This record gives sequence, C-alpha cells and structure tokens, in this order.
Amino acid sequence: DTGVSQNPRHKITKRGQNVTFRCDPISEHNRLYWYRQTLGQGPEFLTYFQNEAQLEKSRLLSDRFSAERPKGSFSTLEIQRTEQGDSAMYLCASSYRGGKNTEAFFGQGTRLTVV
Amino acid sequence: GEDVEQSLFLSVREGDSSVINCTYTDSSSTYLYWYKQEPGAGLQLLTYIFSNMDMKQDQRLTVLLNKKDKHLSLRIADTQTGDSAIYFCAEKQAAGNKLTFGGGTRVLVKP
Repeated sequence: DTGVSQNPRHKITKRGQNVTFRCDPISEHNRLYWYRQTLGQGPEFLTYFQNEAQLEKSRLLSDRFSAERPKGSFSTLEIQRTEQGDSAMYLCASSYRGGKNTEAFFGQGTRLTVV
Repeated sequence: GEDVEQSLFLSVREGDSSVINCTYTDSSSTYLYWYKQEPGAGLQLLTYIFSNMDMKQDQRLTVLLNKKDKHLSLRIADTQTGDSAIYFCAEKQAAGNKLTFGGGTRVLVKP
C-alpha cells in the first residue's frame, strides 16, 4: 500500500491524558498536512510541513498541540492534557511540491474520543 | 477571509445525474477540488480544476467553474448506489498551501 498511512485508526483516552498520532506520507512527498474534522463538518487545517520544516500553523493549534516531522518523512501529532472538545477525526495528507499539479492525498484518519 | 459553502443534502435516484454546488469567497483561489468521504473513512480526491479553466470532464464527473460568481459544481452522470457519500469542495489560495473545505454535501442515492 503506497497511500498515506495513519496510526492508530481509533484512540479512546481519558480527559487529561496525552495522546500521540503518527502519519506516514506517500513516499517522496515533501509536503505533509494535518487537519481536524469534527462530526458533520469539513476538515479544518491545523499545520503544514515542507520536508522537516513546520511552515504554517493554524490558530486552532493551541499550545497543547505539537507536531513534528523530524526527518522529513513521517510526522507525529501530540495532544497534551486532552479535553473533550479534542474529540474529532485527525486527518493527515501529503503532496509533492514540484509536480504539475498540487493534489493532496489523505490518509484514513485517526478518530480520537476523549471520555 | 476564506469561506466555502455547500448545501447539506442531496437525494437522487440511481441512474439520474447528481449536481452538487459550492460557493467560495476568495477570488485568489488557484485550485478547486472535490473530495468524497464514505462513512468512517478518510477523503478520496475525485477531481480538481485550475482557476483559469471553466470546465473539466473526467469519466462520469464534470466540474464547472464560474469564477465571476465564485461558483463550483460537480455533476455525476449515471449516479450509482456506490456514489452515496459526503462530498466536499475545497479551495487552495495562491499564497499558501492549505485547503479550505466546505461543510460537505451528503448525497443519498436511492435505488
């Protein structure tokens, strides 16, 4: 499977706990994005990497959220001290800068439930 | 700021054509996309159109773009039950790399 891979697919955690999600982009894609999707809504942009550099962060990304892409390949999204409002689907996407188009391909998402 | 709007729901009979509409506010949009999402799944890219085009056809899918009115539509010909899903339009600005999505249109195909 050469698509975008996200792990875990589902995560249930107690309020106040920390969680970490992983995203493996399509091989050779140098751009990686994180989005959050709440029930009944469209995805909302969180942050974006080009290679290992985090180039843009949304105001939605509070200081409890941190994302990394240390070697310019996979990325992790950590949420500290989770709150019930963090319950959502977290989507990762990747794209290649330099191609003739700018298609972003999405993973299956990690569904977070904070209880 | 950016805003993308879609109607919430569309019901269509199998074999008919579906038309899903989308409006956006940002005139600097460069690319406009249509994604499909099935229950519990991620987003599948269906098609996209560059802002200097007014139409793009890809098999059963036809995208129409009216840049003056900032209106985008997706027509699905010969709609099948497997087309039942939520469809999102999204726009990408010239300055930036993020996509701004609409709220999605739930399409229900009845046999």
